[in-house]
Amino acid sequence: AQSVTQPDIHITVSEGASLELRCNYSYGATPYLFWYVQSPGQGLQLLLKYFSGDTLVQGIKGFEAEFKRSQSSFNLRKPSVHWSDAAEYFCAVGTSGGYQKVTFGIGTKLQVIP
Amino acid sequence: GAGVSQSPSNKVTEKGKDVELRCDPISGHTALYWYRQSLGQGLEFLIYFQGNSAPDKSGLPSDRFSAERTGGSVSTLTIQRTQQEDSAVYLCASGTGTDQETQYFGPGTRLLVL
Repeated sequence: AQSVTQPDIHITVSEGASLELRCNYSYGATPYLFWYVQSPGQGLQLLLKYFSGDTLVQGIKGFEAEFKRSQSSFNLRKPSVHWSDAAEYFCAVGTSGGYQKVTFGIGTKLQVIP
Repeated sequence: GAGVSQSPSNKVTEKGKDVELRCDPISGHTALYWYRQSLGQGLEFLIYFQGNSAPDKSGLPSDRFSAERTGGSVSTLTIQRTQQEDSAVYLCASGTGTDQETQYFGPGTRLLVL
C-alpha cells in the first residue's frame, strides 16, 4: 500500500520569501503524484500533478514541484510567496493502473506573515 | 460549468440520529469518491464508485456508513446512529474514471455530532 509523509505540520514564511513544502511517498511502482491546496472552508484545489515525463512540473499560482525517484520525494516550491497563499497543502500519491486510489498526507498549514 | 457540489454545507445532529450527505459530481464524470477529513488528519478514503461497477467500500469505517449512487450521477452518503467521532468534514470528488484522472473536489459537508 502506498503512503505519504508530510513532515512539516506548520510552516511560517514572510511574504516575498521562497517556499518549499516537503513530501515523501512510499509506493512500489511508478507513482502518480499530486499537490492540492485547501483554503479555509473550501474543498481541495489541484495545484499540479505528475504522471510521467519531465520530473519538474509546473502548476497554477506559480507553484512547481520536482519528482525525485531516488529520494522518493515530490517537494512543492514557490519562489516568492504571497499572502493569499496562506492555506493548507496536501501531497497525495495515486496508484498507476486501475482507478485512482489516492492516499493523502496529513497536510502542511502555511502561514504567511507580512 | 458547474463543479462538484455538496449539501448541506453544515450539519449539526444529535448522537444516535441518522444523517444523509449529498454529492452532485461534475456532469459526465463516471468516477465518484467520498473522503473524510477529521481535525488534524489527512483525507481518509471511504468509498469509490465507477460507472455501473460494484463500488469499492474498503474505506468505510463501520457498517453504520453506507453510500449509494443513483443513475450514475448523484451520490448519498448515509451515516446511521451517528457517534461523536463521526464529526468531520466529508468531501466528495469526481473524476473521469481513467487511469490518469484528476479528482475534482466539492466544498465538503461539515458534520458535527453533539
